[in-house]
Amino acid sequence: GIQVEQSPPDLILQEGANSTLRCNFSDSVNNLQWFHQNPWGQLINLFYIPSGTKQNGRLSATTVATERYSLLYISSSQTTDSGVYFCAGDRDDKIIFGKGTRLHILP
Amino acid sequence: EPEVTQTPSHQVTQMGQEVILRCVPISNHLYFYWYRQILGQKVEFLVSFYNNEISEKSEIFDDQFSVERPDGSNFTLKIRSTKLEDSAMYFCASSEFRSLGTARELFFGEGSRLTVL
Repeated sequence: GIQVEQSPPDLILQEGANSTLRCNFSDSVNNLQWFHQNPWGQLINLFYIPSGTKQNGRLSATTVATERYSLLYISSSQTTDSGVYFCAGDRDDKIIFGKGTRLHILP
Repeated sequence: EPEVTQTPSHQVTQMGQEVILRCVPISNHLYFYWYRQILGQKVEFLVSFYNNEISEKSEIFDDQFSVERPDGSNFTLKIRSTKLEDSAMYFCASSEFRSLGTARELFFGEGSRLTVL
């Protein structure tokens, strides 16, 4: 099956800083999503982005399918952005998650 | 906004007991999934379900696990005889379309935390 690698594994930033999270896939994927897992454990959909670029407020994402990676950008970080960010992609009928990037935003 | 709902939010059970976790997927979705997340670890695929049958399952999904869609709205995960290592958050998800080249965005429920003592 496909391997999903996320980097960095941990990231600590001051409030207001910008960050870039990366997701690499070992093989091409049909679908790609970014999720935020908040401190209560809920998985929140951020982007469904099999290719191209999308923006939603302070967050944006870019997927370059031909090079098998995706990037999540967070600008002007807020403490509520803290949590774990997962990317997930699929081939066949199962979507595989990366191990996540744990983001700590300090006030 | 339509959402996936799961019950219970938290269940504590004794080792060896049977547990049923329930999910109500988004109403027009056709594909259903169960994932689990052991505390502090990544989200792991368990099983996908389409057209009233399992379409894909992982090596985690052994004979102790089963899924069912008993009526038009519920989707359940049963663990027949729980083990300590089954303690995890279990997530249900649903999607509108089938994969293999077609768009498929997953929507997750809030999870059911299972604690096996």
